Amino acid sequence: DSGVTQTPKHLITATGQRVTLRCSPRSGDLSVYWYQQSLDQGLQFLIQYYNGEERAKGNILERFSAQQFPDLHSELNLSSLELGDSALYFCASSPRWSAYSSGNTIYFGEGSWLTVV
Amino acid sequence: DQQVKQNSPSLSVQEGRISILNCDYTNSMFDYFLWYKKYPAEGPTFLISISSIKDKNEDGRFTVFLNKSAKHLSLHIVPSQPGDSAVYFCAANGGSQGNLIFGKGTKLSVKP
Repeated sequence: DSGVTQTPKHLITATGQRVTLRCSPRSGDLSVYWYQQSLDQGLQFLIQYYNGEERAKGNILERFSAQQFPDLHSELNLSSLELGDSALYFCASSPRWSAYSSGNTIYFGEGSWLTVV
Repeated sequence: DQQVKQNSPSLSVQEGRISILNCDYTNSMFDYFLWYKKYPAEGPTFLISISSIKDKNEDGRFTVFLNKSAKHLSLHIVPSQPGDSAVYFCAANGGSQGNLIFGKGTKLSVKP
């Protein structure tokens, strides 16, 4: 158990709909990262928040948005869903703004499976 | 463009033999490299890392080698065990990047 909690574990929704994925980081971790894993792709970095502020942005679509709340949990909002958005969405957390520092790295949750039909 | 590449989607090895997983990168600003292991229906878990100031790091059966001039790293697993069967991701961090950049992964199958 990495200490990172993601909900829901599985989600099936229709095209055009909107969903919210939730992540609770490990206790004490200030950074939250969102990654997308599609069938033939690796782990694609979407976005990072550090202590409530957006820290880095990757290949995140404009239809997607995220935020980190004062209690440090994060939500990833996916809207106007398309079939191609079906993927496994991972949340990860780390203590500092950098994904690797002083022996600390990022720890992943078990992921949220999104199926768009 | 992919900054971290794992060109072998899969690798099959006999139990007890050595498994060698390869990874190439393009950004010379990366200063840490990590390997993650992922089992089905689970999140990736950290396996081993190496700093760019080293050329080797060993942890039990796992050794990571870094060749900075070639921008290449490899993970050696000796001896390989059936429980090592998983997808292995290479990742890099450094420069202005706060996040990890991952390769597409290599699926390792260790046959009894």
